[in-house]
Parts: sequence; C-alpha cells; structure tokens
Amino acid sequence: DVKVTQSSRYLVKRTGEKVFLECVQDMDHENMFWYRQDPGLGLRLIYFSYDVKMKEKGDIPEGYSVSREKKERFSLILESASTNQTSMYLCASSFGQGAWGYTFGSGTRLTVV
Amino acid sequence: DQQVKQNSPSLSVQEGRISILNCDYTNSMFDYFLWYKKYPAEGPTFLISISSIKDKNEDGRFTVFLNKSAKHLSLHIVPSQPGDSAVYFCAASEYNNNDMRFGAGTRLTVKP
Repeated sequence: DVKVTQSSRYLVKRTGEKVFLECVQDMDHENMFWYRQDPGLGLRLIYFSYDVKMKEKGDIPEGYSVSREKKERFSLILESASTNQTSMYLCASSFGQGAWGYTFGSGTRLTVV
Repeated sequence: DQQVKQNSPSLSVQEGRISILNCDYTNSMFDYFLWYKKYPAEGPTFLISISSIKDKNEDGRFTVFLNKSAKHLSLHIVPSQPGDSAVYFCAASEYNNNDMRFGAGTRLTVKP
C-alpha cells in the first residue's frame, strides 16, 4: 500500500524552538507539498517542491523553510516556533504534471506553547 | 485572499436524501477542480474531479457540476449514507501546475 508518512502525529514545542516536521513518501513522486489546516481557513499551501533540492513558496511561507535533499523526503522547518504556528500540518505528494494525483499523509498536530 | 471558497461550514442531511456541497472560486486561470474527503485523524483522500472542458462528471453516487461562467462548482451525493459523514474540501489548480488551492471545507453529517 503506497504511503505518505509523517513522522509525528502529535507534537508539543515551546515558543522559540526550532521544529522539524518530516514527511516521507514511497511512491517515487517528484512533487511534494506542505499545507497547514486551520478551522475556517481550510488547507493553505506553505511550500512545495518539484524535484530534489528545488523548492517553491506557497501562499503562506513566512516563518517556515523546507529541505528536500532526497526525492522521498520533504522536511518542513519552523526556524523559531510561535504560538500562531499551532496547527495541523499535512504533507502530500504527487506524480508528474497536474494536481490530480495528490496523496496525503495523516497529518501532524503541532501545538506551540 | 482565498481563491477557493466554501461558504457553508456545515451541512446536515437525512440518510437517503441528496447532499449538495457548494464551492466558488475567484481565479479564472483555474481549469481543474477536485473534491477531497477527510475523516478525523486521517489525511484528505481524492473523491472526484472535473476539468474545465466539461460541465459534469459522475462517479457512482457522486456527481460534480461546474459552471465556469459563475465560477461555481457543486458536489452532489445521492443517496447520502452515514459513512459519507466527513469534511469535504473543494480544490482547484491550473492544469499544468502541480499546486492546488483548497477551500475551507464543509462538514457533512448524514443522519441515519
């Protein structure tokens, strides 16, 4: 069964900490994405990547960075966590052109205290 | 500014009846539209899609309608079943782009 795996289901971090959210896919997909889900706002695109070492800003990249050193792994980094980054974070991957083939992970619920 | 809008945060219907979920978009460059379904503690899963060259796409109990002039699409579920209870997200993209924009979601509750 093909999968997108997010390393943590729940995470609690302190304000100012550097936070790493890891995502691994086993489908050999070129494209990987990070979204955050908030009530009333839906899923908002933070960053995405079309290939190893490539990254593109989404709609809300401020306060975040990403790393894609290997094709199967896409990491989201909160350089200095803040309480307004408390959210559900969802990773997705897709193959080739067109957005129809998204496969999502189960999400990481991050709480920053 | 959200480019994809779902103005109804929740919808409740009786089992066996029709569920209609609505979605509006503002970006006229969007030409591919999708619906995703999300259960609690799981990631969204793809449900049905439609490209701008069509105005209707049907898959079993699920039908998506697209009105390009109104920048509006809707998802019809007939007949609704209790297992359809979930949050439904509308999403849109430009066909040759790989990134999607999502609406805020509509929580559907189907009562037995």
